[in-house]
Amino acid sequence: SAVISQKPSRDICQRGTSLTIQCQVDSQVTMMFWYRQQPGQSLTLIATANQGSEATYESGFVIDKFPISRPNLTFSTLTVSNMSPEDSSIYLCSALLNYGYTFGSGTRLTVV
Amino acid sequence: AQSVTQLGSHVSVSEGALVLLRCNYSSSVPPYLFWYVQYPNQGLQLLLKYTTGATLVKGINGFEAEFKKSETSFHLTKPSAHMSDAAEYFCAVSDTNAGKSTFGDGTTLTVKP
Repeated sequence: SAVISQKPSRDICQRGTSLTIQCQVDSQVTMMFWYRQQPGQSLTLIATANQGSEATYESGFVIDKFPISRPNLTFSTLTVSNMSPEDSSIYLCSALLNYGYTFGSGTRLTVV
Repeated sequence: AQSVTQLGSHVSVSEGALVLLRCNYSSSVPPYLFWYVQYPNQGLQLLLKYTTGATLVKGINGFEAEFKKSETSFHLTKPSAHMSDAAEYFCAVSDTNAGKSTFGDGTTLTVKP
């Protein structure tokens, strides 16, 4: 079965700085998704990333705050920009594979 | 528009007892339905999914779910709980097999010895 590698697994960052999260899939996929899971809450979709086009953002999320790259069919990055404590969350990438959606293990971000 | 409601944010069962986690959905088109499990400090793992065809879907770790269109439900069951089943469970719906998913708020399953 396909595997999604996500890194870093966790980080503690200073407010005002930016963090880039990487997601690598071991097979080619058309669509990748980035989710946020705030403490004790469910998953909220940030954006959908297709290779070769700009990401599509959900309501409440903007490109300036969460720029996404999708340079090829196996890789994507999400940057959390100008961080504040409210950005402390788990960020997960996901890809649609033959048998359904597969998720990375998540990045646990704490902003201090 | 789609939505998912998971009834009961916390469910506690004894080891060996039946597990029943409830999920109701709303969708304007025929839904694709999913159950995921999240163990502490880990990502989500797909338990099972319903797309079309047989309404009783079997997944990993002995879990199964039944799609009931008339009740707009997709409840997750397991005949006999094991300690290793303790985790967070999420129900999700999408409008196609390739579309973005909308997640429920999750149900924390506790298994007592």
